[in-house]
Amino acid sequence: TQLLEQSPQFLSIQEGENLTVYCNSSSVFSSLQWYRQEPGEGPVLLVTVVTGGEVKKLKRLTFQFGDARKDSSLHITAAQPGDTGLYLCAGRWEGGNKLVFGAGTILRVKS
Amino acid sequence: GEEVAQTPKHLVRGEGQKAKLYCAPIKGHSYVFWYQQVLKNEFKFLISFQNENVFDETGMPKERFSAKCLPNSPCSLEIQATKLEDSAVYFCASSQWGGQGRTEAFFGQGTRLTVV
Repeated sequence: TQLLEQSPQFLSIQEGENLTVYCNSSSVFSSLQWYRQEPGEGPVLLVTVVTGGEVKKLKRLTFQFGDARKDSSLHITAAQPGDTGLYLCAGRWEGGNKLVFGAGTILRVKS
Repeated sequence: GEEVAQTPKHLVRGEGQKAKLYCAPIKGHSYVFWYQQVLKNEFKFLISFQNENVFDETGMPKERFSAKCLPNSPCSLEIQATKLEDSAVYFCASSQWGGQGRTEAFFGQGTRLTVV
């Protein structure tokens, strides 16, 4: 069974701090996506990475795809209370079609 | 449309009743996916379609669950004889391609099913 491990599960930090969320697998991804979900809403796509070593920036968010395309990270610089939410990584493995989700990281940023 | 539209937003059913959920994918998207999100935020894959054809149904419970994507109609997910454990938020997503490479999936707002 292919597993997508996401950590940490829960993160509570002060405004202005930095944080990193990780997604890991033993299998190679053909693409990996990061989503953010607010309560009562559907996941909203933040970024897609497909190339090993790829780095993408979205304002204070930096997404990295591992060279071997088996892992990814999301780094938030100077977190704001508005960053609070559920962050999900989701990947398609090579040869696969469905998007498999990590367990999610609940981020709470306190002012 | 420009977004995935799911209806209804909320659905309450008594145990044993039927539940039917609808999803209109983004116009031009060939692939539709159904997911079930349970209390611990876990997203469980149920089924995917390529146009009106089932593409992958490995996540569908063998009994009580069925799904269709017919031409010129919203896709549907139907649960016969609902059980308490079916209570969850059901998400539909669509993408342009289901294969390799950059295949972003866009999600609807979900249908919250409560079985009482």
